[in-house]
This record gives sequence, C-alpha cells and structure tokens, in this order.
Amino acid sequence: EVQLVASGGGLVQPGGSLRLSCVASEFIVNANYMSWVRLVPGKGLEWVAFIYSDGQTFYADSVKGRFTISRDNSKNALFLQMSTVRREDTGVYYCARGGGIAEVGTYHKMDVWGQGTTVTVSS
Amino acid sequence: DVVMTQSPLFLPVIPGESASISCRSNQSLLHSNGYTYLDWFLLKPGQSPQLKIYLGYLRPSGVPDRFSGSGSGTDFTLRISKVEAEDVGVYYCMQPLHSPITFGGGTRVEIK
Repeated sequence: EVQLVASGGGLVQPGGSLRLSCVASEFIVNANYMSWVRLVPGKGLEWVAFIYSDGQTFYADSVKGRFTISRDNSKNALFLQMSTVRREDTGVYYCARGGGIAEVGTYHKMDVWGQGTTVTVSS
Repeated sequence: DVVMTQSPLFLPVIPGESASISCRSNQSLLHSNGYTYLDWFLLKPGQSPQLKIYLGYLRPSGVPDRFSGSGSGTDFTLRISKVEAEDVGVYYCMQPLHSPITFGGGTRVEIK
C-alpha cells in the first residue's frame, strides 16, 4: 500500500529543536516532490516546506532559516529539522507526496499524506 | 501572498442533499499553460488531509463522482451531491500557482 508514516513530534521548549520523520512505502521519496504542511490551532492548514526531486528546497517565510527539509534515500524517508522553535510553530505536522509552485516550475498534486505528528512548543 | 477566502465557514447538511462551498482568490489561478491551479482537501478529525479535487475539476482515483469542482480565474466551487455521513469534516481550498502555497480558512461540513 502506498503510504507515509510520520513520527518525531512531541513537547519542546521555545528555542529548542525537534526532528520530524516520514517514512514512505511503495514509492520512492527521492523520485517525487515532497512537502510538509501543518495544521495550526485556530488557523487551519499552512504550507511549511517542500523538496523537489532534484533536491531544491523551498520554505515558507515563517520558518525560513529555522527549519530544514531533507531526505534519506537509504531509509526512503523525508525529514523536517526544526530549530529555534517558537510557540506559533505548535500544530500537527503532515508530510505529503507532491508539492511545488506552478508559476516557477512544476506542481505535483498532494495525493498521499502521512497521518500527522503533533508538535507542542511550550515552556 | 495570495489570499484564499472560503464561504460559508459552517455548513450543516442533510444526508442525501447537495452542498456547495465557495472559494475565492485575490489573484487569478489560471496559468499560461491553460491549467487552473486550485485544489480541494477534506480534513477529518484525527486523520490526514484527503485530496478531493485538483486542477480545479479533476478527481483523483477513488474519489466518488459525488464530488465536483468548477470555476475559473478567481472564483471556484466545490459541490457535493447526495451528501453522505462520511463527507463531514473541514474542507480547504488551496492554490499552488503562486509562491507561497496558500490555503483557504476552511469550511466545516456537518450533518444536520
């Protein structure tokens, strides 16, 4: 079955770090565009980052310089390294197959999503 | 950033009847390649988002034809005919044409 399984969420203090993981089954992560999207309490869905199949990475302004998206071909996994976290980073983080910006290249529909992993930033 | 505005915020529906959700953008979502970049997702509590419509009107495999998308430019509609209990949750529109990707605020669909 084509699926993504996310993990790594938890409670972290402001200014701390956390690494989210997302393991894929039945498709190759590095052959696809991959994204992280979060559900922010009281606000809705918010795009966080994506990585293209050629390795280019793109970030929302709110996380640029603090978060890093990457992948590990040997594990067929996608990662989100979160550093210098803020209270407003609290939410449920989803990985997804697909992403991109059509006006500057290609967009692939986000058709497979992980189950979400919860990040709580609090002291 | 492109602002996506959904209405209504809350939509009570009777099973078997139809429901419509509106999504408007403050910039055109029509690409020079002729495609319109507007997707619809359903988010159920405790689950991951489900893609229901992409490129404005296309249904991914496995999505029933009760779901249809229409519209062009800046004005879009998701229609669910013969609503079923499994269709409840929060629906979001999303534009992936302009950077950054942005979502609408969501429309909560519940059974009346």
